[in-house]
Amino acid sequence: GAVVSQHPSWVICKSGTSVKIECRSLDFQATTMFWYRQFPKQSLMLMATSNEGSKATYEQGVEKDKFLINHASLTLSTLTVTSAHPEDSSFYICSARTSGRGYNEQFFGPGTRLTVL
Amino acid sequence: DAKTTQPTSMDCAEGRAANLPCNHSTISGNEYVYWYRQIHSQGPQYIIHGLKNNETNEMASLIITEDRKSSTLILPHATLRDTAVYYCIVRVLNNFNKFYFGSGTKLNVKP
Repeated sequence: GAVVSQHPSWVICKSGTSVKIECRSLDFQATTMFWYRQFPKQSLMLMATSNEGSKATYEQGVEKDKFLINHASLTLSTLTVTSAHPEDSSFYICSARTSGRGYNEQFFGPGTRLTVL
Repeated sequence: DAKTTQPTSMDCAEGRAANLPCNHSTISGNEYVYWYRQIHSQGPQYIIHGLKNNETNEMASLIITEDRKSSTLILPHATLRDTAVYYCIVRVLNNFNKFYFGSGTKLNVKP
C-alpha cells in the first residue's frame, strides 16, 4: 500500500515557540492531504484539508492563524503550530489521498506527538 | 459530524471471529462505509470499505445490511495483534472526501 511519513515522530518544545511538522507521501502523489489532532483517549478530529497549490480549508473552531498549513508540492504538506501552548500538546496525524491509485482511500501517517512545556 | 455509532468496547477470544457492529442510519444513497483501525499511538490503518455489497479482503469481511443503515466488520480469526480501536466511517461525498471519525470500538483480543 501507499506510504505516508511524518517528521518528527515526537517533539518537545517550550511554550511560545513554533513547531513545524512535515507530512510526506513517499510513493504516490497526494492531491489532497488532511491534518487531524487526537487527544489522549479520544478519537481523531479533523483540523484542515489542504490541496496542492491552494489554501487550506479549516474545520469550524480551528484557528487558521495558529495552525499554518502549506501544501507546496504533491508529496509534501507541513503543519506549523505557532506560539504553541501546553493545551496544544496532542498527537497530530496527517493523511493523504490521490486521484489515482487508491482513489477512495486515505493513507495515514504514523503521527507526531507534540508536547509543549 | 460523525455519522456513525459504535459500541465503546468489545472482547474477543483469540482465534475466534470478531464481529464489530456499526450503525449509520443517516447514510446517503451513494456514501461509502469505511473501516480503519488504530493500534495505540500509531496512525490509522485502512481495513476495508464498501457501498452496498458485502466485501472481503485479506484482512476482513464487511457485511452491509440491505437498507444500508448498519454494517458489521468481521475479523475471521482474531489474534492478539488485532487489539486496537476500530473506526467505522461514512465518507462525506464531494468536499474532498473528508473523513469524520466517531468514537470507535476498542477491541480487546484475549488469549
